[in-house]
Amino acid sequence: EPEVTQTPSHQVTQMGQEVILRCVPISNHLYFYWYRQILGQKVEFLVSFYNNEISEKSEIFDDQFSVERPDGSNFTLKIRSTKLEDSAMYFCASSDGQGRNSPLHFGNGTRLTVT
Amino acid sequence: LAKTTQPISMDSYEGQEVNITCSHNNIATNDYITWYQQFPSQGPRFIIQGYKTKVTNEVASLFIPADRKSSTLSLPRVSLSDTAVYYCLVGDEGFNKFYFGSGTKLNVKP
Repeated sequence: EPEVTQTPSHQVTQMGQEVILRCVPISNHLYFYWYRQILGQKVEFLVSFYNNEISEKSEIFDDQFSVERPDGSNFTLKIRSTKLEDSAMYFCASSDGQGRNSPLHFGNGTRLTVT
Repeated sequence: LAKTTQPISMDSYEGQEVNITCSHNNIATNDYITWYQQFPSQGPRFIIQGYKTKVTNEVASLFIPADRKSSTLSLPRVSLSDTAVYYCLVGDEGFNKFYFGSGTKLNVKP
């Protein structure tokens, strides 16, 4: 069964550094998402992406965050200057159709630790 | 904002049927209801989706009353491996934005 893959599985960075989290969505999917989950808390929506542009974003997704689909397969999340509170699991997801009716397929996440 | 409300936790024993109910009073006409399962340190995994009445697949059933203001996920004969957090999602007012609620932590005991 096709799956969403994320790399790296664990990233440690110092406060103020830039990080790029990478995702390879399922190949025929058209909608892409980033979510995050702080330890012990719920899964939080960050951003959705369709047709090479952001569809929706939450209040968490401020100017420090950006997303890109640099080629036909990768979908990246960049955090420009990391803060301690950015430490979390970051999940990428994709779906194949209209978002409301198409289940999201999640990767197993990147654990980001900011020190 | 299509907010969902679920019980924080539930306990069950192996072999029992478990029903988890989610309230979504502000669900939009076109929204589907989708349930996900999450194990620790893993991404959420799709379980089942429905619009109205009843949907059944190989792992669960989903019951949705006519007013669609709630839904119930039914897991038949749970096992220890069903211990996880279960989330219900409905679409939000945006085109492509889905919010997870706090989820229900199901603890299956031997």
